[in-house]
Amino acid sequence: DGGITQSPKYLFRKEGQNVTLSCEQNLNHDAMYWYRQDPGQGLRLIYYSQIVNDFQKGDIAEGYSVSREKKESFPLTVTSAQKNPTAFYLCASSGTGNSNQPQHFGDGTRLSIL
Amino acid sequence: GQQVMQIPQYQHVQEGEDFTTYCNSSTTLSNIQWYKQRPGGHPVFLIQLVKSGEVKKQKRLTFQFGEAKKNSSLHITATQTTDVGTYFCAGPSIYNFNKFYFGSGTKLNVKP
Repeated sequence: DGGITQSPKYLFRKEGQNVTLSCEQNLNHDAMYWYRQDPGQGLRLIYYSQIVNDFQKGDIAEGYSVSREKKESFPLTVTSAQKNPTAFYLCASSGTGNSNQPQHFGDGTRLSIL
Repeated sequence: GQQVMQIPQYQHVQEGEDFTTYCNSSTTLSNIQWYKQRPGGHPVFLIQLVKSGEVKKQKRLTFQFGEAKKNSSLHITATQTTDVGTYFCAGPSIYNFNKFYFGSGTKLNVKP
């Protein structure tokens, strides 16, 4: 079945540590997105990518980094500069980058600080 | 920056009652999409509206896009326990077509 796979499902970060969240899709979608969701809140855009080797900052990019070396993969690194990383992280993809296509989401990664 | 607000933030209804959530954007949207997120799950796409004043129905759900393309609503008739979840509106502004903005969400609880 086609879909988006996020791993791990749960992740714990130590102080001063960088951690990387994986997002892989086999939907042949051009656009991919990373969102952060805090408890009881909506989704806030961290980074998005419309095509391979290109990505743009969203509204809360500070403390995060991404890469888009392959169409299928859009990993997110939560750096030590992100002082409040505890949240639910959702990866999504859509057919094109022009926002007229629905977004398909992975099951998410819950990140906590040790 | 652009903001997309939804009201109410929470709604508790008795099964069989109707439910409406309203979505308001600070800027004009090129289209509006609605998503449903079940507790502990991820958002799932429900529908997209593109035209000014457009109305679409999915069984007991009615979606409307405002004439000015800055607001939208979702109405559920005769709620069921399976409707429980958080409903989000989302869309890109006409000024930044490639950035997607999600509303703050309305959490619906249905008592049997």
